[in-house]
Amino acid sequence: EAGVAQSPRYKIIEKRQSVAFWCNPISGHATLYWYQQILGQGPKLLIQFQNNGVVDDSQLPKDRFSAERLKGVDSTLKIQPAKLEDSAVYLCASSFSYGGFYNEQFFGPGTRLTVL
Amino acid sequence: KNEVEQSPQNLTAQEGEFITINCSYSVGISALHWLQQHPGGGIVSLFMLSSGKKKHGRLIATINIQEKHSSLHITASHPRDSAVYICAANRDDKIIFGKGTRLHILP
Repeated sequence: EAGVAQSPRYKIIEKRQSVAFWCNPISGHATLYWYQQILGQGPKLLIQFQNNGVVDDSQLPKDRFSAERLKGVDSTLKIQPAKLEDSAVYLCASSFSYGGFYNEQFFGPGTRLTVL
Repeated sequence: KNEVEQSPQNLTAQEGEFITINCSYSVGISALHWLQQHPGGGIVSLFMLSSGKKKHGRLIATINIQEKHSSLHITASHPRDSAVYICAANRDDKIIFGKGTRLHILP
């Protein structure tokens, strides 16, 4: 079974530039998550999709971050414009469903973003 | 105070040693995850458990719901076990992550 795919794996940009990350979840997984992990900290949920609808985006800095999952499969996360404090690993995860025991999350390899 | 606390934050041990990483949580949960994160950043799910004990190879995870405590054990540790181990608790429809334990196994 193929895992969660993410690209790019690494990205270096200058502050105020824009960047986009892509995630392809495990086939059949309805729920998709984007996390931000700053060095030395645990992952922080940015946004959670159930199919193509947003379940939770309470911690997404909406003035600069946006995410979409138009067809309920792939998802993109965009930062525009980037700030120095956005340097982090951006993790995508997917689960079969959410709630109860069936939301074991499978994580992608992450995208390491460095903002100079 | 974090709702999910891990200890120790950092652990260095010799190859072959028995390793224990602890996780305490302060909220009601439906399940608890142990995750492994290697330096490249990718996360692998090791265990998801809601009661008792699970074993996979040299890894053992236990949970005590009454005490709100879980442990991850590694037997016969090896340098390739060096990674960050993260405890994460399912609460409602969210996952609350601990800050991780950085494990370094010396050859």
